[in-house]
Amino acid sequence: DAGITQSPRHKVTETGTPVTLRCHQTENHRYMYWYRQDPEHGLRLIHYSYGVKDTDKGEVSDGYSVSRSKTEDFLLTLESATSSQTSVYFCAISEDVYTGELFFGEGSRLTVL
Amino acid sequence: GENVEQHPSTLSVQEGDSAVIKCTYSDSASNYFPWYKQELGKGPQLIIDIRSNVGEKKDQRIAVTLNKTAKHFSLHITETQPEDSAVYFCAARSYSGAGSYQLTFGKGTKLSVIP
Repeated sequence: DAGITQSPRHKVTETGTPVTLRCHQTENHRYMYWYRQDPEHGLRLIHYSYGVKDTDKGEVSDGYSVSRSKTEDFLLTLESATSSQTSVYFCAISEDVYTGELFFGEGSRLTVL
Repeated sequence: GENVEQHPSTLSVQEGDSAVIKCTYSDSASNYFPWYKQELGKGPQLIIDIRSNVGEKKDQRIAVTLNKTAKHFSLHITETQPEDSAVYFCAARSYSGAGSYQLTFGKGTKLSVIP
């Protein structure tokens, strides 16, 4: 299994509070991604990174920000959590964007009350 | 952007029967089509993929076919076993600009194999 660790794995928070999810990889892959998974929408890309300090928006980036200060860490921040951000969040990594294979973490379940 | 439709959303089959999951995509420039399997409580895992210059690919009991003209691709699982029960996602990769590619996923198919 690819060395991807997400933390926390479970979190319950209240509306309006900030939340940061962390993705840590030991594979030295260049590309890192944050997806959210919802039953009615499947997997949707939030943000991705193509190198240290290089990030871009995905399909559903509103309300989220990311940072990547080291190759191995990719942080997803919800500045002011809302109930619509209740979801399961997956980090993924890939070595080469052309060959395409994504390796996913185990997921972080976030509940916003 | 790319749009991927996946059907059916749920599928139940008897152990030993075949299962077929179908996907369509909208961007004719998409060139890579992976399939992921997600077991309960885990992240998706790649099980097979196909590129746009190939029409069919097999790996033991699973196979994927691609029809570029019709813009659809399918996953075939033969001789299903209880451990095949999971959620399956198709995806299509398209160019998103500035040298970047993105995967767009279908909404998933929950496959149940009944012993």
